[in-house]
Amino acid sequence: AQSVTQPDIHITVSEGASLELRCNYSYGATPYLFWYVQSPGQGLQLLLKYFSGDTLVQGIKGFEAEFKRSQSSFNLRKPSVHWSDAAEYFCAVGPEYGNKLVFGAGTILRVKS
Amino acid sequence: DTGVSQDPRHKITKRGQNVTFRCDPISEHNRLYWYRQTLGQGPEFLTYFQNEAQLEKSRLLSDRFSAERPKGSFSTLEIQRTEQGDSAMYLCASSQEPPYEQYFGPGTRLTVT
Repeated sequence: AQSVTQPDIHITVSEGASLELRCNYSYGATPYLFWYVQSPGQGLQLLLKYFSGDTLVQGIKGFEAEFKRSQSSFNLRKPSVHWSDAAEYFCAVGPEYGNKLVFGAGTILRVKS
Repeated sequence: DTGVSQDPRHKITKRGQNVTFRCDPISEHNRLYWYRQTLGQGPEFLTYFQNEAQLEKSRLLSDRFSAERPKGSFSTLEIQRTEQGDSAMYLCASSQEPPYEQYFGPGTRLTVT
């Protein structure tokens, strides 16, 4: 069965510190992997995606993620967090040719000044 | 390109009433998806359309739920005889094929009293 695990429900980091959000997936075929961000009461904004090729992908807002097939992981990173990054982050996996995404339960990021 | 739009943004209804939500996708996108998100969870897939054809429905989509996309443009999601368990955020997304990346609207928050 397809599944996504985000082990950390909440993470708090200081402004300017580095960030890594963890994502592990279970998928039987070639996965398409995504990270989305959701601010309170809002829809989801696509941060970045991995389809194939270079396993380190760059996204918007200074985020990057690394696909590690051997670990079934797709962790999100940012070298220096800004207060405006406080939000909820979702990892998702989908099939090679689209249709439904399976989401993790999300990680809430808090940024302290 | 104004993005995916959803109407209404909020809906409060009494148990047993019918409600209908509308989603307008990004204009050149031929795929449209509906998801449901409850508090503290990631979005869960409900159904998706390719043009006007409904290609997949989740087991979450009970007989009380129906979705349409009559001309392959906007879509409606109707819930009949609402129950308190239907209270959730209903998210719509759209994509092209390829690259299949899904762009989400702001959601419709349904509260059933």
